[in-house]
Amino acid sequence: SQKIEQNSEALNIQEGKTATLTCNYTNYSPAYLQWYRQDPGRGPVFLLLIRENEKEKRKERLKVTFDTTLKQSLFHITASQPADSATYLCALDSGNTGKLIFGQGTTLQVKP
Amino acid sequence: EAGVVQSPRYKIIEKKQPVAFWCNPISGHNTLYWYLQNLGQGPELLIRYENEEAVDDSQLPKDRFSAERLKGVDSTLKIQPAELGDSAVYLCASSLGGTGEYEQYFGPGTRLTVT
Repeated sequence: SQKIEQNSEALNIQEGKTATLTCNYTNYSPAYLQWYRQDPGRGPVFLLLIRENEKEKRKERLKVTFDTTLKQSLFHITASQPADSATYLCALDSGNTGKLIFGQGTTLQVKP
Repeated sequence: EAGVVQSPRYKIIEKKQPVAFWCNPISGHNTLYWYLQNLGQGPELLIRYENEEAVDDSQLPKDRFSAERLKGVDSTLKIQPAELGDSAVYLCASSLGGTGEYEQYFGPGTRLTVT
C-alpha cells in the first residue's frame, strides 16, 4: 500500500544545532516533493520544493535532499532558533496529478 | 496581497445540523483545494477545482458533503447532516497551477466541533 512516514515523535534540539527531519515513502513515484511548516492554529506554509531529478535544494538556513532510490527526503534546518519550533509536513505529488499527499508531520522544538 | 481567506474560523454545531464553510482564494489562482485535517495528522484532500470544475472529488463523502465553486473564484463546502466524526479543521488552499510543481497557499482553516 502507499504510505508516507515522518517521525511521529517530536524532535527536541538545542538552539544553534542542525535539525534533521525525515520523510520516507513507499509505492509512490513522485515527480515533486514539497515541505511545509505549520504553526498551531494556522494553515501550512510552503517552504521548499524539490524535483525528482534534483538531489538537493537550499534556501537560506534550509536544505532539502531527495533520494528517489531510497524513497526518502531529508529536511535540514541549520543554526536552529526557537522561532523554528513548529510542525513540518512533507508532501508529494501523486503521479503529477496535482494531488499532494501529506505526511503526518514532525513537531520540532528548539530550546534556547 | 491578501492570502487565502476562510470563514468562519470556528464553528460549533450539534450533530445532524448543517454547516457551511467559505473560502476566497488568492486572486488569479485557478486551482482551489479543500482539505480536512485531524489532530496530529497531515491535511487530506477532499476536493480539487480547476476554475469551476471539480477535477478530483474522489475523497469527498458525497452522501453528506457537497462543494461548489461558482464563477471559478470563491468556494463553499457544506456538510449536511454533520456527524460527530466530522470534527476537524477544514483547510482551503489555492495555487497557480494544478500540478505538483506548484506550491499551495493555505488559509487559516475552520475548526469544526460537532457535539
